[in-house]
Amino acid sequence: DAKTTQPPSMDCAEGRAANLPCNHSTISGNEYVYWYRQIHSQGPQYIIHGLKNNETNEMASLIITEDRKSSTLILPHATLRDTAVYYCIVRVGNAGGTSYGKLTFGQGTILTVHP
Amino acid sequence: DSGVTQTPKHLITATGQRVTLRCSPRSGDLSVYWYQQSLDQGLQFLIQYYNGEERAKGNILERFSAQQFPDLHSELNLSSLELGDSALYFCASSDRDNEQFFGPGTRLTVL
Repeated sequence: DAKTTQPPSMDCAEGRAANLPCNHSTISGNEYVYWYRQIHSQGPQYIIHGLKNNETNEMASLIITEDRKSSTLILPHATLRDTAVYYCIVRVGNAGGTSYGKLTFGQGTILTVHP
Repeated sequence: DSGVTQTPKHLITATGQRVTLRCSPRSGDLSVYWYQQSLDQGLQFLIQYYNGEERAKGNILERFSAQQFPDLHSELNLSSLELGDSALYFCASSDRDNEQFFGPGTRLTVL
């Protein structure tokens, strides 16, 4: 799996957009970008994933650059409950029962949302 | 609630002992993954099972083993426990879709 680089920590004011960057310059053509978060020792929670097009769901938006070497996770209106460690992971998609299904977690970005 | 359950939530035991952690995946999910999270190593993939068969191995010690049963629940067995095995152990499940759903974890403390 391609390696990802994220800033170790970021701050965001409540109600503002949180933009979390991720670099994945060695990403392969069949690898997707996934984002998970972990709130205070709870199980990691899936947020969103994408291949090359921008994606949006009820939790967040994912913007992937045209060359796919970097991406940004956007939480449009951050709340205090969004304080967590955010992980950017690159992995072959649609892995299902294949051996490519594992997730390789880095250190992630500690996002702190303050009042 | 992810739909993945893990028992027990907390486990305290002594060095040299053996413990079993249990995971029930979401209904219909065939894949089960085990991860270990320790302070110094972060979240690390241990092993994956798919429909009862071992599919992939990560950084799993020889003292650790796992299995997935016909009803798709899985157990992670940790033996000859050492202080360094103290960690959070997470189970996750998935079907053929992309995302994995994680359970709440089992916190293991080895004294």
